[in-house]
Amino acid sequence: GIQVEQSPPDLILQEGANSTLRCNFSDSVNNLQWFHQNPWGQLINLFYIPSGTKQNGRLSATTVATERYSLLYISSSQTTDSGVYFCAVEPGTYKYIFGTGTRLKVLA
Amino acid sequence: NAGVMQNPRHLVRRRGQEARLRCSPMKGHSHVYWYRQLPEEGLKFMVYLQKENIIDESGMPKERFSAEFPKEGPSILRIQQVVRGDSAAYFCASSPGSVDTQYFGPGTRLTVL
Repeated sequence: GIQVEQSPPDLILQEGANSTLRCNFSDSVNNLQWFHQNPWGQLINLFYIPSGTKQNGRLSATTVATERYSLLYISSSQTTDSGVYFCAVEPGTYKYIFGTGTRLKVLA
Repeated sequence: NAGVMQNPRHLVRRRGQEARLRCSPMKGHSHVYWYRQLPEEGLKFMVYLQKENIIDESGMPKERFSAEFPKEGPSILRIQQVVRGDSAAYFCASSPGSVDTQYFGPGTRLTVL
């Protein structure tokens, strides 16, 4: 089945720093979503981005479907950005396949 | 438009008891998916249901687990005779169609003592 790999697995930032999270997937996909799971466990949908680029405030994402990767950019990070960021792909079977996540900690 | 709702948010059970997790999809969504997140892992697909039908339960353990999505009311994930290994967060998602974006609920955290 399709493999989803995220990097880096862990990331510590000082408040105000920028970061790039990467998601590689091993086969073509119909859908791709980025999620933020906050420290309380709640899963927040950030982007639905099977291809192209989207921006929402300090966050933006780019998916290059032909090269099978997606990037999530966080600019001017804040402590509230801490948590786990998941990439999930849907390869045409309605089953979302989640990566193992990037654990982000932003220090004040 | 309210999002996907799950209850309870936290559930504690002793080994051997039954756990019932409920999921109300977003208004207008007739497709429901259940995922399980074990500690320190990503979410894994369990089952996909439409109203009154189980479409795909390939990710669900064959024993003790069952799911339903009746014509009226929420979808229910039922775990009988819970064991400590069932402790996890269970997320429900819904979508208007099978190839549409899935919207996730806040999850139910099950702890088995």
